[in-house]
Amino acid sequence: DVKVTQSSRYLVKRTGEKVFLECVQDMDHENMFWYRQDPGLGLRLIYFSYDVKMKEKGDIPEGYSVSREKKERFSLILESASTNQTSMYLCASSLPGGLTYEQYFGPGTRLTVT
Amino acid sequence: QKEVEQNSGPLSVPEGAIASLNCTYSDRGSQSFFWYRQYSGKSPELIMFIYSNGDKEDGRFTAQLNKASQYVSLLIRDSQPSDSATYLCAARRGYQKVTFGTGTKLQVIP
Repeated sequence: DVKVTQSSRYLVKRTGEKVFLECVQDMDHENMFWYRQDPGLGLRLIYFSYDVKMKEKGDIPEGYSVSREKKERFSLILESASTNQTSMYLCASSLPGGLTYEQYFGPGTRLTVT
Repeated sequence: QKEVEQNSGPLSVPEGAIASLNCTYSDRGSQSFFWYRQYSGKSPELIMFIYSNGDKEDGRFTAQLNKASQYVSLLIRDSQPSDSATYLCAARRGYQKVTFGTGTKLQVIP
């Protein structure tokens, strides 16, 4: 069974704080993704990584950075948290290539920035 | 125009009926399409994928793809209250990136 875990289910941070969201997968997947999910806007891709130390910007990378030092771990960093980054953050992983690869999602981190 | 569009719903169907969920996409280069189910407060989980024109059946679920019309649908036969969830349509182009729609909320009424 593929397992994707995220460091926190709920997180409350103050404006201006640096925030780290951690994601770990145990299936040796090459691809890892960070999304945010907001009502009415759906799932939006922030960043993805297709290999260790490799990253690509998604649709909404502004205000975020990522780190992938080990294959199983993908971190999302909010350099200076703002209230408009209050959201549900979902991490996912998948195998590379092919037409039909499935993304496996973690349980999500609900971040509130006050 | 959104890359992947879905009606947000809610779509209400009686138990035992067929639920029909629809999705359109704008990028003609999209190669494969996915339907994810997301229960309230939970993460999305894959139900089906399709990449060839026509129908693909898996149990009570049928995915339909029409590339000429840029249209994807998911039919759920014999709908059950446990099918009540938000259904996300996603389209993939290229090697890695998948674009999700905003989802359709389905309510199956007992």
